[in-house]
Amino acid sequence: ETGVTQTPRHLVMGMTNKKSLKCEQHLGHNAMYWYKQSAKKPLELMFVYSLEERVENNSVPSRFSPECPNSSHLFLHLHTLQPEDSALYLCASSQEKGQGLDEQYFGPGTRLTVT
Amino acid sequence: ILNVEQSPQSLHVQEGDSTNFTCSFPSSNFYALHWYRWETAKSPEALFVMTLNGDEKKKGRISATLNTKEGYSYLYIKGSQPEDSATYLCAFSSGGSNYKLTFGKGTLLTVNP
Repeated sequence: ETGVTQTPRHLVMGMTNKKSLKCEQHLGHNAMYWYKQSAKKPLELMFVYSLEERVENNSVPSRFSPECPNSSHLFLHLHTLQPEDSALYLCASSQEKGQGLDEQYFGPGTRLTVT
Repeated sequence: ILNVEQSPQSLHVQEGDSTNFTCSFPSSNFYALHWYRWETAKSPEALFVMTLNGDEKKKGRISATLNTKEGYSYLYIKGSQPEDSATYLCAFSSGGSNYKLTFGKGTLLTVNP
């Protein structure tokens, strides 16, 4: 148990659907992250939020829309996805303002399949 | 483009063996190097965050060294146990983008009883 929870754990959606992934951290951290892991690729950073402000957007297509209503919650809104977006989506948090010195605490991930 | 390379990609050892694997990263503009352990069906878990050239960190039977001048880090496991079976990830951050960790693909370690 890392203190970071994600729901749902598995999601199957059609290309025309709209769905949201949710992440919650119970650690009092200030920074939260979305990562994507596709098959046989390394973890790729998508977004970073620090004190509820987006500080990194790693050239992610607009069909992925993050939202951070407070420092404990992070959402990833999905719409009109493509089959190549099927992947494991991991949320993480860290204590300070997302500085590279802080270890990150990961959730268990959401396995997304786009049909 | 920052590339982080890990080798080997996978490794099988017998219980009790000691083993090590490598992470290579760009040596310029270094900021920090992270090691994570990722067991199947679980969350990645931080092992070490290293910042100084020559740094050596230890947690139980696992230790890591860092050479920022030549751009590599070694992770050592002494007396491997089946519960050490996992993917070991390293990640690099540079001074240009402190928030961003660039991950390697990992080394998958299997320890046979």
